[in-house]
Amino acid sequence: GDSVTQMEGPVTLSEEACLTINCTYTATGYPSLFWYVQYPGEGLQLLLKATKADDKGSNKGFEATYRKETTSFHLEKGSVQVSDSAVYFCALSRSGGYQKVTFGTGTKLQVIP
Amino acid sequence: GAVVSQHPSRVICKSGTSVKIECRSLDFQATTMFWYRQFPKKSLMLMATSNEGSKATYEQGVEKDKFLINHASLTLSTLTVTSAHPEDSSFYICSVGEGTEAFFGQGTRLTVV
Repeated sequence: GDSVTQMEGPVTLSEEACLTINCTYTATGYPSLFWYVQYPGEGLQLLLKATKADDKGSNKGFEATYRKETTSFHLEKGSVQVSDSAVYFCALSRSGGYQKVTFGTGTKLQVIP
Repeated sequence: GAVVSQHPSRVICKSGTSVKIECRSLDFQATTMFWYRQFPKKSLMLMATSNEGSKATYEQGVEKDKFLINHASLTLSTLTVTSAHPEDSSFYICSVGEGTEAFFGQGTRLTVV
């Protein structure tokens, strides 16, 4: 079945440091890929998505590229801020995003001033 | 996008009692809602698909008599954990699909003592 593997956290970074959260997936065919973010006390929010190979999703300075050859969708940001502290979930879906979503375990990011 | 409100955000209950969790779609009529559960350090797993006016569809391995789902209106789905046990302690989260995007509630942290 489908699965998503992402790096264990927590990840602690200083403000303005570079961020990479690794994510790989196992799925047949061509799923859509997502990064969701959960800020403390809030629900999951869609951060970015990519629906086909080589697509790059981007939002709020975060980027991730759909790599079919390595089945990866790593999340990157060049300069993190304290306000980026949250839990980040990598996920995939086969039907465009609103049916069954398969999540990774989540990676907690803490950015310190 | 759709705004999803989940209540309560945290609940502690005694073993053997039942707990009801509500998921409301505040600005979108949802014929389908989804319930997920997250075990510690594990992925969010789809438990069931809630269908307005009909029976919920449960994922394999989910006890439908233990996790009762009711979707009586286009804006409300409820998950009732019946005869709760400590092993039911978990994070439960619902979602609504609008277009090709999923919108999530804040989640409910259930602790059974």
